[in-house]
Amino acid sequence: ETGVTQTPRHLVMGMTNKKSLKCEQHLGHNAMYWYKQSAKKPLELMFVYNFKEQTENNSVPSRFSPECPNSSHLFLHLHTLQPEDSALYLCASSPGQGEGYEQYFGPGTRLTVT
Amino acid sequence: GENVEQHPSTLSVQEGDSAVIKCTYSDSASNYFPWYKQELGKGPQLIIDIRSNVGEKKDQRIAVTLNKTAKHFSLHITETQPEDSAVYFCAAKRAPSGNTGKLIFGQGTTLQVKP
Repeated sequence: ETGVTQTPRHLVMGMTNKKSLKCEQHLGHNAMYWYKQSAKKPLELMFVYNFKEQTENNSVPSRFSPECPNSSHLFLHLHTLQPEDSALYLCASSPGQGEGYEQYFGPGTRLTVT
Repeated sequence: GENVEQHPSTLSVQEGDSAVIKCTYSDSASNYFPWYKQELGKGPQLIIDIRSNVGEKKDQRIAVTLNKTAKHFSLHITETQPEDSAVYFCAAKRAPSGNTGKLIFGQGTTLQVKP
């Protein structure tokens, strides 16, 4: 257990559905991250939040909408996704964004878009 | 843009042998290099990291070496055990200077340790 939980662990959705992924960290960290992990590709950073403020949007399509109501919770709202969006979505947190801060990852949500 | 190349993509060794995974990075301003291990059904977990002012770091059976001039760093696992089987990711990060200093990951190496 890394102290970062993600729900659901598995999600199958149609292209017209709306769903949300949830991440919660119990570590008292101030920074939270969303990553996309596709087969045979490096982890891709999607969004970064620091003290609830978005500090990075890595050119992510608008069909992915993040929300960070407080430093412990992070959501990723999904709508009108494409089959190529099927991947493992990982949440991570770190004490801060400075040099050397270790990122703690959750177990991920396996998303399948049909 | 920033890029991290990782090799090999798969590695199979016999239990007790050593395993070496190599990464090269493109951003000369990178100064923090973590290695992550990802087991099946889990998220990546940090196993060792090194900063640019150090050439080598060791923690029991794992070690990391860094060559800043050549811009490459390597993970060494000695006396491998079946539980070392996993996917290993290297990453590089530059010190934030008005930006987030994000981690750039390599493509991953699937290590299989045969009993």
